[in-house]
Parts: sequence; structure tokens; C-alpha cells
Amino acid sequence: AQSVTQPDIHITVSEGASLELRCNYSYGATPYLFWYVQSPGQGLQLLLKYFSGDTLVQGIKGFEAEFKRSQSSFNLRKPSVHWSDAAEYFCAVGAGNQFYFGTGTSLTVIP
Amino acid sequence: DADVTQTPRNRITKTGKRIMLECSQTKGHDRMYWYRQDPGLGLRLIYYSFDVKDINKGEISDGYSVSRQAQAKFSLSLESAIPNQTALYFCASAQGFEQFFGPGTRLTVL
Repeated sequence: AQSVTQPDIHITVSEGASLELRCNYSYGATPYLFWYVQSPGQGLQLLLKYFSGDTLVQGIKGFEAEFKRSQSSFNLRKPSVHWSDAAEYFCAVGAGNQFYFGTGTSLTVIP
Repeated sequence: DADVTQTPRNRITKTGKRIMLECSQTKGHDRMYWYRQDPGLGLRLIYYSFDVKDINKGEISDGYSVSRQAQAKFSLSLESAIPNQTALYFCASAQGFEQFFGPGTRLTVL
């Protein structure tokens, strides 16, 4: 069965520090991979996606993610976090006809 | 205007009541989805539809039903609401594998 794991429930970083959010998936083939961000009281906004090709993908708001097939991972990174990045982040996998979401990582940014 | 709209945005109801949540999209997408979000559980798929005549159950369809009235409209119904259906509900539309989400409906069942 497909599954998505985000091992960090909550992360706190200082503004200006680098960020890495982890995502691991379980799927027999190469899935379609996504990162979404949800600000408080808002819907989900797509940050970036990986379908094929270059394993390092660039997204909006200065985010990037790297697909590592050998580790079944798709970690999200940002070199310098801004206070406005505080939000909930979800990793998702598109497999078969469905999407599967991780449980989310809540990001707090301290001044 | 938003591409995916949901109505109502907030709803409080009582146990046993029938509730309908509505979703409309202006993107011309064939695929539409209903999810619920619970704290610590992420989003879980309730139902999805690939066209008006194609409706499929997702991971947690029990207690829910859907109707695809047109390509642009996909409604979710709770025939007899119960408190553990209190959650944030999201509709999404998709072309291929890229989903676009509505703003959500916060449902409280007392």
C-alpha cells in the first residue's frame, strides 16, 4: 500500500536559518511527488512538484526539493527562512488514480 | 475569482442532520476530489470523480456520499452527521496529477 511519512511533526527555526523538511514515501514505482503549504485558515497551495527528469526541482517562494530514488525521499529545502514561511507543510504522492498525503510538518519561525 | 470554490465555508450542525457541502471549479478539469483534514492526520481522500459518470470511493467513504452534477460541480453529503465527522473538508480539481484546492469548509457536528 502506498504511504507517505513526514517524520517531523513540528520544527522550529530561526529567521534566516536554513530549513529541511523530510518526506519518505512507499510506492512500487516512481510516483508523482508534491509539496504543499497551508497557512492558518487557508487552503493548500502547491509549492513544487516532481514528475520526471531533473531530480532537483525548484518551486515558488524560494523552495526546492530533491528526489532521491534510492532513499524513497523527497525532502523540501530552503536556504534562508522568512517569518512568512511559518505554516503547515504537506508532502503528497500521486499514485494510480489517487493522491496520498503525509500528516504534515508544522513550521514555527522565531525572530 | 477563485478557481475552486466551496460553500459553505463554515457550518455547525447537530447529530443526525443531513448536510451537503458544495464545490465548484472554473478550470474545466475532469477530475474532482473530496478530502477531510483532521489534526495530526493530514488529508484523507473521501471520494473522487474522473467525469460525471465516474465516481469512486476513497480511503474513508463510509458515512459520506457524493454527486457529480456537472463537470464543474461535485457535492459531498453527510446523510446523518455524527460528531466524529467534525473536520475541515477540502475539495480539489485536477488535470492529470496537479491538484488545485478550494479554501475548505469547516464543519462542526454537535
